[in-house]
Amino acid sequence: AQSVAQPEDQVNVAEGNPLTVKCTYSVSGNPYLFWYVQYPNRGLQFLLKYITGDNLVKGSYGFEAEFNKSQTSFHLKKPSALVSDSALYFCAVRDWTSGTYKYIFGTGTRLKVLA
Amino acid sequence: SQTIHQWPATLVQPVGSPLSLECTVEGTSNPNLYWYRQAAGRGLQLLFYSVGIGQISSEVPQNLSASRPQDRQFILSSKKLLLSDSGFYLCAWSPPDRVAYGYTFGSGTRLTVV
Repeated sequence: AQSVAQPEDQVNVAEGNPLTVKCTYSVSGNPYLFWYVQYPNRGLQFLLKYITGDNLVKGSYGFEAEFNKSQTSFHLKKPSALVSDSALYFCAVRDWTSGTYKYIFGTGTRLKVLA
Repeated sequence: SQTIHQWPATLVQPVGSPLSLECTVEGTSNPNLYWYRQAAGRGLQLLFYSVGIGQISSEVPQNLSASRPQDRQFILSSKKLLLSDSGFYLCAWSPPDRVAYGYTFGSGTRLTVV
């Protein structure tokens, strides 16, 4: 079965510094990988996805993610963090089970950007 | 454009009372629909998914049930709520198959069982 792991419960970064939120995956076949962000008491919002092509994927709000096949990783990055980036971030992988697609989510990483 | 509506936003219910949460999608046909529960503000647990009217798949045994009476309507129900049913419930949709579109989520329902 497909799975993703987010090894960090929380990441703290100073405003203006670069940020990285880590995700590793385990899939059979080609991975379809996603990042979502969740603000308090809200639904998840799509940030970006990797399907195929360039290993560096650009998404919403200045975020990007780097797909690394040899390290089975899909880390989320941003060159300069904003306080407003503080939120809960989820990595996800698409899984094909029983004739339909589902998305398997990591446990989430709380990002705290300090002013 | 497609939109997803989920209500109510918050709900406080006594133990043993019934539950009905509704989710509707506009601007698309035959979507795949999903109910997730998020406990303690962290991980997402898939509860049910549906690929068509009347077609419901359950991921985990529990006190809840789901129904899809119309193509773009997905309902989460319980006959008798338990304290452990408290949590943040999220509805999501995706296009049927093929393209890895990802999910679009509703804004969620915060359920507190007292």
